[in-house]
This record gives sequence, C-alpha cells and structure tokens, in this order.
Amino acid sequence: GAVVSQHPSWVICKSGTSVKIECRSLDFQATTMFWYRQFPKQSLMLMATSNEGSKATYEQGVEKDKFLINHASLTLSTLTVTSAHPEDSSFYICSATPGTSGGDQFFGPGTRLTVL
Amino acid sequence: KQEVTQIPAALSVPEGENLVLNCSFTDSAIYNLQWFRQDPGKGLTSLLLIQSSQREQTSGRLNASLDKSSGRSTLYIAASQPGDSATYLCAVKTSGSRLTFGEGTQLTVNP
Repeated sequence: GAVVSQHPSWVICKSGTSVKIECRSLDFQATTMFWYRQFPKQSLMLMATSNEGSKATYEQGVEKDKFLINHASLTLSTLTVTSAHPEDSSFYICSATPGTSGGDQFFGPGTRLTVL
Repeated sequence: KQEVTQIPAALSVPEGENLVLNCSFTDSAIYNLQWFRQDPGKGLTSLLLIQSSQREQTSGRLNASLDKSSGRSTLYIAASQPGDSATYLCAVKTSGSRLTFGEGTQLTVNP
C-alpha cells in the first residue's frame, strides 16, 4: 500500500516550453502533497506544499508563477514548469500524505527534467 | 529554521564492515526523524522512522537511534554488503508535516 507514482519519469524539452509533471497517489487519498527539487549530488529542497482544493504554499525563493501547482483531486497533483530554462533542469520528486499533521509522506519515483 | 547536517558526506568501506552514519539537527522540536535510501536517479525508499518519543528503531541489519535533546541520530548498518551502496538521507519532520532533509551520505561498499 501507499504507492505514489509520477509521470513522466523523464522529459527533455526545449527552452521556453512548458512541462507538466503528474503525481498520483494510487491506493490512498492524499490530503496533502509536496513537491521537491533535487540538483545533482544535493539534497531534496521543498518547493511547495499543496492541499486538495486550495492554493499551494510556496517556499521562500520559489516563483509561484513559474512553478504552477494544481491539486484538483485527492489523488492527483500536477506541477507545471512554465517557460522552462536550462537552469530548471533538475530531478523533481513529489510526496503525498494521507494523514493529519505528522502523517508519513510517501514518495514518488521522481521525474528527471532536462531543458535544452 | 531547521537545519539538518549529515556526516560524512561520502564513505567507502569494504564488504562486511559495520558502519555508522550521522545526522544532526538544530531544532529539537520535531515530530519524528526518518532515514531514507536513494539509488542514483531514483526516488526515496524509507528505511526507518523514529517518533520523537522513541529512542531507536531496528529493521534487519539497520538500527537507527535518536537523541532528540542533543539533536542527533545515527544509522548503524551491520555487515555491510555491496547492495547497500546508495545515498542515505536523514530527514526530520517539524510542524505542518514539513520534512527537512540533510545533504546525504553517499555510501560505497566494495566487494
């Protein structure tokens, strides 16, 4: 149980285009989903927290107009990287929690984004 | 602001050796601490989770301890194997289900 999937697993795009990444909780309802970014040989940095049906809360320094997050249902959250540039190339990982505050986070397998 | 530090950044050991990975955090007001494994280009696999009221957790060859008051945790791996080679991440949960990660320890176990 508690499986989280991401799609796509990798994507290559041209600079200036937008890319959408999906995060799905397959066997539970996720009240909260988190989006992280990980640069090579670095740790995971939280980008934003999203609760179903409400606006995402972004971490300081993360541009909300560039990284659009939608959590329209209890099993799906999407991250759209708008007008992507090479510096946005990174490994994006989502996690989902079914619980109340303190509930475990279950992580997706990640999406490798390369912007040419 | 919570900060998590992991030492060492990298570790290379021969197969069969017992080893200890260290994690420290600056704010002791945590809900729990979790150790993860990450293989190259992959997501995270949860290894052990220690609640703030607990002192340690064990799973197979892995043992994690938590000293909340001093802001420290250790992950002990017994009889290491080449398949244990990966990056090990420590993360602490503070308010609002927020996880703060350390930079990780990259472990290589040589046959």
